[in-house]
Amino acid sequence: EIVMTQSPATLSVSPGERATLSCRASQSVSSNLAWYQQKPGQTPRLLIYGASTRATGVPARFSGSGSGTEFTLTISSLQSEDFAVYYCQQYNNWPPITFGPGTKVDIK
Amino acid sequence: EVQLVESGGGLVQPGGSLRLSCAASGFTFSDHYMDWVRQAPGKGLEWVGRTRIKADTYTTEYAASVKGRFTISRDDSKNSLYLQMNTLKTEDTAVYYCARDDGYYVLWGQGTLVTVSS
Repeated sequence: EIVMTQSPATLSVSPGERATLSCRASQSVSSNLAWYQQKPGQTPRLLIYGASTRATGVPARFSGSGSGTEFTLTISSLQSEDFAVYYCQQYNNWPPITFGPGTKVDIK
Repeated sequence: EVQLVESGGGLVQPGGSLRLSCAASGFTFSDHYMDWVRQAPGKGLEWVGRTRIKADTYTTEYAASVKGRFTISRDDSKNSLYLQMNTLKTEDTAVYYCARDDGYYVLWGQGTLVTVSS
């Protein structure tokens, strides 16, 4: 099983600032990595797939990078609606599909 | 409208059973692998299992935590996905989501809450 880890667990950021979230896989997942945003009481929303491709309707301030075992989600200028929990997910080696534990982005 | 709608959640005692359903619309259900993903209260996302399509003989796969207790099935004629949950444990308490499997998950249902408690 591929274990996904995310850092930091919580990221405190001021609106307008840049946020950088990290995700690491215990073994290579190539570029088969997705990022999701989840707000309280809501369903997860796909942001990025293929490590760097934005999903339909996702603002350009969200970008993904990386391959192999190290990945980054960058939010270039945080808006109020971006405060949420972010999960990474690998879909290269399954079963099982595995998710990271999440990074909570909150207001500084 | 492309959507998934779950139903069947509720309160069940430990050791009990429950069957969840997921109704799909707006896309060709039979062409897609379908998964169940769950989220315990205040916790992260956990993949539960998957069913493949007819061309792949509807084979299923499960997380170790539910294997032997949960069964995923589908009825393509009804555009529906099911999760039969037996021998439920308190740690199965979660919101259960069905999701269309494109490797990643573009399409999710709204989730249905399953509470296992005496």
